Amino acid sequence: NAGVTQTPKFRVLKTGQSMTLLCAQDMNHEYMYWYRQDPGMGLRLIHYSVGEGTTAKGEVPDGYNVSRLKKQNFLLGLESAAPSQTSVYFCASRNSGRIDTQYFGPGTRLTVL
Amino acid sequence: KNEVEQSPQNLTAQEGEFITINCSYSVGISALHWLQQHPGGGIVSLFMLSSGKKKHGRLIATINIQEKHSSLHITASHPRDSAVYICAVSLQGAQKLVFGQGTRLTINP
Repeated sequence: NAGVTQTPKFRVLKTGQSMTLLCAQDMNHEYMYWYRQDPGMGLRLIHYSVGEGTTAKGEVPDGYNVSRLKKQNFLLGLESAAPSQTSVYFCASRNSGRIDTQYFGPGTRLTVL
Repeated sequence: KNEVEQSPQNLTAQEGEFITINCSYSVGISALHWLQQHPGGGIVSLFMLSSGKKKHGRLIATINIQEKHSSLHITASHPRDSAVYICAVSLQGAQKLVFGQGTRLTINP
């Protein structure tokens, strides 16, 4: 099993450009999450999904959109990138039990110039 | 005030030393997680615990629910233990984690 994979690993954008980050998991997990990690701030939740076709806002959702059309994939979109979105983005997934371990992807380093 | 606070933020020690990283939280939780992140690397889960103590190799995690406090201990520390250690809590009734800011641990040979 590949676990949780993220595409791409690195990306540089210019302000105003758009892009989509792809997260894929092969563990049949119901729940999927997108986080951003910034120096000194810890991981912050952007959006999450508790099942195929569902999405919900997290702590810092502004400027991002998500879609979960297939259970195994969770897409994070930036419609008009801003320098404040320069960050490392992590995807995670877990089973739908009351509590469970989250499995993280390797991260995507995004720079917006 | 953050819901999850870790201390210290940075810790440097010599190989072989006993390491303790602390985590305090201010909310009701279902479980507490300890995660490890190596430089430039991904994030892996070390422990998930809701009571008592868990041990894996040289790592030990404890939690005191009444005091809302957890500790991560590393015995006989080694340079390969150098990483950022992150405490996170599963909020009661929610499907989300809340993270501490992390503790950067450096073990010198």
